[in-house]
Amino acid sequence: QKEVEQNSGPLSVPEGAIASLNCTYSDRVSQSFFWYRQYSGKSPELIMSIYSNGDKEDGRFTAQLNKASQYVSLLIRDSQPSDSATYLCAVNGAKTDKLIFGTGTRLQVFP
Amino acid sequence: DAEITQSPRHKITETGRQVTLACHQTWNHNNMFWYRQDLGHGLRLIHYSYGVQDTNKGEVSDGYSVSRSNTEDLPLTLESAASSQTSVYFCASSESLGENTEAFFGQGTRLTVV
Repeated sequence: QKEVEQNSGPLSVPEGAIASLNCTYSDRVSQSFFWYRQYSGKSPELIMSIYSNGDKEDGRFTAQLNKASQYVSLLIRDSQPSDSATYLCAVNGAKTDKLIFGTGTRLQVFP
Repeated sequence: DAEITQSPRHKITETGRQVTLACHQTWNHNNMFWYRQDLGHGLRLIHYSYGVQDTNKGEVSDGYSVSRSNTEDLPLTLESAASSQTSVYFCASSESLGENTEAFFGQGTRLTVV
């Protein structure tokens, strides 16, 4: 079992819709969770971090964490074509600062 | 503004040659990481460092080495380049502040081994 798993997609949503991206992780003691956005040919860019159970909202983005289910998600409201990118989920453990990444989900937002 | 820079941005080398990729950060972060990114594999951790003189192996460390002589730099060396090491390499850094370990990435180095 991979440490961090994501559906590779592509996930296609129409402009203005909500995009829902999901991620599961295997290390039960993981404490920090991150979502990165990566445009083609560019480096990953941090868009959200979440550390405790529940929801965290930042503009059109909402991160959701459920440690009991070992599940973290990212919702993008009012999706725009400029949101089309690969979204990477990253996790680190309780006693380590190293980030482990999922393989990413490619999101396509069509007009 | 603080930043993290990688050089070169593109490199073509021959099989068997030693290659060093540079990573320099001005965030004054303790933690530095090297990842490689390949289609279908996502970002895989090669080596990482929690501070000066500290280095650790990641999941794909064979054929690579790093050294940390100061806070700002973590060069990645390919001892004898192989075609399997053709990839895009990313350096990242983060500050260890308990749970706050957000990492920031350099622009990447595209390495081709021929």
